[in-house]
Amino acid sequence: DTEVTQTPKHLVMGMTNKKSLKCEQHMGHRAMYWYKQKAKKPPELMFVYSYEKLSINESVPSRFSPECPNSSLLNLHLHALQPEDSALYLCASSQGAGLQETQYFGPGTRLLVL
Amino acid sequence: AQKVTQAQTEISVVEKEDVTLDCVYETRDTTYYLFWYKQPPSGELVFLIRRNSFDEQNEISGRYSWNFQKSTSSFNFTITASQVVDSAVYFCALIRTYNNNDMRFGAGTRLTVKP
Repeated sequence: DTEVTQTPKHLVMGMTNKKSLKCEQHMGHRAMYWYKQKAKKPPELMFVYSYEKLSINESVPSRFSPECPNSSLLNLHLHALQPEDSALYLCASSQGAGLQETQYFGPGTRLLVL
Repeated sequence: AQKVTQAQTEISVVEKEDVTLDCVYETRDTTYYLFWYKQPPSGELVFLIRRNSFDEQNEISGRYSWNFQKSTSSFNFTITASQVVDSAVYFCALIRTYNNNDMRFGAGTRLTVKP
């Protein structure tokens, strides 16, 4: 199984809602990542979980909260988002730690914040 | 400063033409990695190639080839005999090994291959 799965595929939420994005991999990878991608822009790294330890991109606002319940599962909790947070959210995993490792990406969750 | 420039925003070719996507990078590091990813309309990023700064060998994989030249800080990607399925956005990325959380993508090049 060489797949990274993400649910839901699409999500529409209001600014007062709380929702979660889910990412799962069963490749035994020890690092997982969240990226945000605005339309017609490259992906931006948000969070890195490496051996279940979190590294944060300090520019990411606190309304995004990652959680890594186990080494194969990575959630992104969303609370009080703004319309400008509408984007494609991509999850990835890699066998080893470090961004120099080859990452395998999921299909993404397209988020619309109203 | 770390930077990746993909000067070609959009390229359109007819099927079976060869096409080269340019990637120029800036870094003061001596050790770094370069990647190419493909993003089809479905959205997921597909890994194409990884190169470290000490390996300047060019690589060929089927219709794809890469030309890495440290002297010009370029890592260009050529598709030979393009096909409609090659239509996608292609991203070049630079990763520092000194700071493992520093990953810079280029702006991407949108390739359209017409039948």
